[in-house]
Amino acid sequence: DSGVTQTPKHLITATGQRVTLRCSPRSGDLSVYWYQQSLDQGLQFLIHYYNGEERAKGNILERFSAQQFPDLHSELNLSSLELGDSALYFCASSVESGMFGETQYFGPGTRLLVL
Amino acid sequence: GENVEQHPSTLSVQEGDSAVIKCTYSDSASNYFPWYKQELGKRPQLIIDIRSNVGEKKDQRIAVTLNKTAKHFSLHITETQPEDSAVYFCAASTPNTGNQFYFGTGTSLTVIP
Repeated sequence: DSGVTQTPKHLITATGQRVTLRCSPRSGDLSVYWYQQSLDQGLQFLIHYYNGEERAKGNILERFSAQQFPDLHSELNLSSLELGDSALYFCASSVESGMFGETQYFGPGTRLLVL
Repeated sequence: GENVEQHPSTLSVQEGDSAVIKCTYSDSASNYFPWYKQELGKRPQLIIDIRSNVGEKKDQRIAVTLNKTAKHFSLHITETQPEDSAVYFCAASTPNTGNQFYFGTGTSLTVIP
């Protein structure tokens, strides 16, 4: 157990819908990262938040957004869902902002299936 | 941005043999290189990491080597066991882009008993 929690574990929804994925980092970690893992794209970085502020954006679609709250948990919002959004979504956390290279600890993931 | 390539994509070894997985990266500013093991449907778990100021690191049966000049790093697993079967991912992190990890495409390792 990495100490990072994610809810829900599984999510099944229809195209066009909107879902929210939740992540709680390890106690004391200030950074949260979101990754998408699909069969054909591997592990892709989406977005990084540090202490409530967005730090970096990766291959995140405009239909997707995220935020980190004062208690440091984070939510990833996916809207206007398409079949291709079906994937495993992981969040990871690290202690600091990561400017000097830091270990990231991954949560168990949320498996999203869009029908 | 950084580009990480990983080879081979699949690897089968006999139990007790060694396994080697290689990764190359493109950005010479990358300074942190973790390796993750992922079992089917589970989270990626860190197994070993190395920083750019170190050439080699070992932890029991697992070792990682880094060649900064050639911009490649490798994972070595000795005395492989069936429980080593999993997908292994390498990653690189570049300080000027935050700590986001650029992952390789993964190597599916099968250890045959």
